[in-house]
Amino acid sequence: DIQMTQSPSSVSASVGDRVTITCRASQDISRWLAWYQQKPGKAPKLLMYDASTLQSGVPSRFSGSGSGTDFTLTITRLQPEDFATYYCQQANSIPFTFGPGTKVDIK
Amino acid sequence: EVQLVESGGGLVKPGGSLRLSCEASGFTFSNYGMNWVRQAPGKGLEWVSGLSGSSSYIYYADAVKGRFTISRDNAKKSLYLQMNSLRAEDTAVYYCARKGPYYYDNSGNYRLFDAFEMWGQGTTVTVSS
Repeated sequence: DIQMTQSPSSVSASVGDRVTITCRASQDISRWLAWYQQKPGKAPKLLMYDASTLQSGVPSRFSGSGSGTDFTLTITRLQPEDFATYYCQQANSIPFTFGPGTKVDIK
Repeated sequence: EVQLVESGGGLVKPGGSLRLSCEASGFTFSNYGMNWVRQAPGKGLEWVSGLSGSSSYIYYADAVKGRFTISRDNAKKSLYLQMNSLRAEDTAVYYCARKGPYYYDNSGNYRLFDAFEMWGQGTTVTVSS
């Protein structure tokens, strides 16, 4: 199985800040990576797929990059509604696996 | 409205069984692979099982293989998860999720990305004596 790790596990930030989250796969997954946002008590929401393609309706302040084993999710100009937990997921092979999550909270 | 609505969760004793359902609306259900993803209390996301639109391809996580059975009824636009021999570690919110999206890659090929583009609200399963 492909193991996914994320760093940091949590980050405190202010509205307007730039936040970068890193995701690493235990083996090469090319660009088969997706990012999700989850708010407390809610289902996850797909933000990005193919490592850097924004899902329809997702604001352009979210961006992704990377390929192979190392990926990043960047949120520029953090907004109040962006405080949430973010997960990466590899879509390269079954079983699909998620990272442990990165919680972005208010400083 | 495009949505997925899960039901069937509840409290069950270890060793017991439960059947989850997910009803789809607003899209052509048979065109999409469907999955179950769970989240234990305070924990991250764990993919459980998935199947293709025609049920030709079915997959399970090792943690549930042999105990859980995924199925679908395209006429009823419904997805199911039969859970047997339940354990305390199966306690979680169970989400049904539609596989996707479809997209055009850099070569102009129409492809399916194996992400989870649409989720239900979840149903809670608690396994406890």
